[in-house]
Amino acid sequence: DGGITQSPKYLFRKEGQNVTLSCEQNLNHDAMYWYRQDPGQGLRLIYYSQIVNDFQKGDIAEGYSVSREKKESFPLTVTSAQKNPTAFYLCASHQTGTNEKLFFGSGTQLSVL
Amino acid sequence: SQQGEEDPQALSIQEGENATMNCSYKTSINNLQWYRQNSGRGLVHLILIRSNEREKHSGRLRVTLDTSKKSSSLLITASRAADTASYFCATDAGGKLIFGQGTELSVKP
Repeated sequence: DGGITQSPKYLFRKEGQNVTLSCEQNLNHDAMYWYRQDPGQGLRLIYYSQIVNDFQKGDIAEGYSVSREKKESFPLTVTSAQKNPTAFYLCASHQTGTNEKLFFGSGTQLSVL
Repeated sequence: SQQGEEDPQALSIQEGENATMNCSYKTSINNLQWYRQNSGRGLVHLILIRSNEREKHSGRLRVTLDTSKKSSSLLITASRAADTASYFCATDAGGKLIFGQGTELSVKP
């Protein structure tokens, strides 16, 4: 999956619990993204970060939080405020320039117990 | 908000046939990208077409872009069973990439 590592592959959350999804990249890309995908649906943008120590809300940021303390890492926390967290979460890093593209991780499936 | 919308939502064809998927978007773009996703996996970049290009080829893929109609199409020629996947278009919107709902392609051997 092109230098993007997401963990864990499967995650279960109990009601009222916060959980954190890990995303690490070794591609030296400045920008990173978090998307949520529901079954049979497209990707919806949760948060994105264009540079270290900076990030912006996407279309569905409520109930989620992120940090970007290192270029390589962009963890996503699903908080207890997110009432419907069951989904497939995808992290990506952005290669800019003439060969622009996103590199995706293999995803984390989050389910509620 | 979804910037891009694909059509059809699902497409089923026989091996060897061509598959055409369409994408419409709402705002001005710098480029449009197409991605492929196998079930339960991350997306893989297929091809990028810039706003000043009208057509681009890569192997069995042909992408067209009509900025006046705000639409793009992806043609896969001589399809194979291994092409079975979901295909998404993505457009840049103020520094962030927004994806459409996708077309689910099934190629029957």
